[in-house]
Amino acid sequence: GQNIDQPTEMTATEGAIVQINCTYQTSGFNGLFWYQQHAGEAPTFLSYNVLDGLEEKGRFSSFLSRSKGYSYLLLKELQMKDSASYLCAVMDSNYQLIWGAGTKLIIKP
Amino acid sequence: GAVVSQHPSWVICKSGTSVKIECRSLDFQATTMFWYRQFPKQSLMLMATSNEGSKATYEQGVEKDKFLINHASLTLSTLTVTSAHPEDSSFYICSARVGGAQETQYFGPGTRLLVL
Repeated sequence: GQNIDQPTEMTATEGAIVQINCTYQTSGFNGLFWYQQHAGEAPTFLSYNVLDGLEEKGRFSSFLSRSKGYSYLLLKELQMKDSASYLCAVMDSNYQLIWGAGTKLIIKP
Repeated sequence: GAVVSQHPSWVICKSGTSVKIECRSLDFQATTMFWYRQFPKQSLMLMATSNEGSKATYEQGVEKDKFLINHASLTLSTLTVTSAHPEDSSFYICSARVGGAQETQYFGPGTRLLVL
């Protein structure tokens, strides 16, 4: 079966760095997405990786290793507004998005 | 960036009534639109995929006669929850995609449905 694993919850301190991991087992691979979802709101797009390596976009970076079925989202200089759920989603061989359950990130002052 | 809107944001209705939710891509033409449902503290669950001018493709376990999807144009898709029941209360989110299957989906703000 297809499976996306990410931690249920993480806590970090304002101003610090946090890394949210995502491992996947899917039938085929056509890219990995990270979305941010604040409570009660729809997800917003953060990043897309289809090749191995690190993609940097401001305070957020996303890394992919296809051979390991692994990705992480790195958030630097954490701000209170970064408190949200972070969803990892993989596009499989049928171009369907397989969603992880999300990682709830709690930022403490 | 690509903007997707949904209307209404909130709807409360009585059991047995039908509710229509609109999803619009405001600044682009969406070749494909998706409808998701999200129950509290759970991940997004894809309900159906719709392409303009053709019938929607429903995921297993989603009743197509209960969740009617109309994709009348490249900028508008509607989801109608027919004869809604309390168990249909959920957060309904649409997304729209430009171009091919490998492209990014952009999400609408979601519609929260409460069926009494």
